[in-house]
Amino acid sequence: EVQLVESGGGLVQPGGSLRLSCSASGFTFSSYAMHWVRQAPGKGLEYVSAISSNGGSTYYADSVKGRFTISRDNSKNTLYLQMSSLRAEDTAVYYCVKANSAMVTGNWFDPWGQGTLVTVSS
Amino acid sequence: DIQMTQSPSSLSASVGDRVTITCRASQSISSYLNWYQQKPGKAPKLLIYAASSLQSGVPSRFSGSGSGTDFTLTISSLQPEDFATYYCQQSYSTLQSFGQGTKVEIK
Repeated sequence: EVQLVESGGGLVQPGGSLRLSCSASGFTFSSYAMHWVRQAPGKGLEYVSAISSNGGSTYYADSVKGRFTISRDNSKNTLYLQMSSLRAEDTAVYYCVKANSAMVTGNWFDPWGQGTLVTVSS
Repeated sequence: DIQMTQSPSSLSASVGDRVTITCRASQSISSYLNWYQQKPGKAPKLLIYAASSLQSGVPSRFSGSGSGTDFTLTISSLQPEDFATYYCQQSYSTLQSFGQGTKVEIK
């Protein structure tokens, strides 16, 4: 069974940093692109970032570019999202999602992790 | 960036009704369009991929159509477990994006 388990969320002050992790199991992690999607409380889904299967290509939404860094360790089957200069508007549940191919585009997201809540507040 | 616009934003329907949700892209995205269902407190679930392909395990009352800029998700006979929020998503560009969601409520 494919499983994605996020961790690392919590309460952080504005301007602070946090690193999210996503532990993957049940599939060959190194063969698939991975993505992060977030959802602010009571709001819709917002695409955050993507990384190709070998980590060689990364992409970011304009809202997080320059502040967030996506990475992966294929030897540990783990995806990361390093978040810095956090703002109140970054408060959201962050989902780790698996793409259906090694490519970042032309794919779909299945499954999704259970999500981890990041709250940015003083 | 490609903008995705869903309509309606919400709708009320009865069990057994046929429900149609539309999604429009700001530019052509070929068939790189997916649909997800989300229930309160849960992660989204993939329903339809590549505009019209039914994800394994998803009931056949769900169907998708369209290409280019205009897409449709149809629920042929609404069931109690279908009351949820539905999102479209384009994967044509590297900056992927979602529609704002359509909440399907009980009439």
